[in-house]
Amino acid sequence: AQSVSQHNHHVILSEAASLELGCNYSYGGTVNLFWYVQYPGQHLQLLLKYFSGDPLVKGIKGFEAEFIKSKFSFNLRKPSVQWSDTAEYFCAVNAGAGNNRKLIWGLGTSLAVNP
Amino acid sequence: DAGITQSPRYKITETGRQVTLMCHQTWSHSYMFWYRQDLGHGLRLIYYSAAADITDKGEVPDGYVVSRSKTENFPLTLESATRSQTSVYFCASSGDTQYFGPGTRLTVL
Repeated sequence: AQSVSQHNHHVILSEAASLELGCNYSYGGTVNLFWYVQYPGQHLQLLLKYFSGDPLVKGIKGFEAEFIKSKFSFNLRKPSVQWSDTAEYFCAVNAGAGNNRKLIWGLGTSLAVNP
Repeated sequence: DAGITQSPRYKITETGRQVTLMCHQTWSHSYMFWYRQDLGHGLRLIYYSAAADITDKGEVPDGYVVSRSKTENFPLTLESATRSQTSVYFCASSGDTQYFGPGTRLTVL
């Protein structure tokens, strides 16, 4: 069965530290890839997405992600986190690249940034 | 305003009662989805719809019913609420990207 794995369940960082959250998926075909963020008490918001082209994708709030097809990975990065980045981060994959718009979700990574 | 809305935002009900959660989107997206979010389980898909009058089960459909008579609306009904259905429910709609509503926090006593 297709799956998405987020390796870090809980991450604690200090402000200005660099962030990398891992995401791996299991599907051998074409994929669309997404990262969503959920701030405390809020709904999920799109951070960035990859459909095709440049595998280094830039999103909102200084986040970026790199698609490495050979590693089935789509890791999220930010060079310097802020306290306001404290949130839950979800990686999601649309296997088959859009056929039914269904997403396979990782379980999320909880990020706490200490001021 | 364009977007996706859910109502009610908060609901407390009792075991055995019928509850309907509403979802409305103004983008004319074909696809709509219902998820529940619980600690330790992430997001789980309940039902989804590819277009008006076309719905399909997701990962956890038992105890839920959906309908979609109009493209913009996708209500979710709990026919006889149980305590295990206490959760936060999110509706989403999709063109090539899923966008989420603000959620409904449901408590079943």
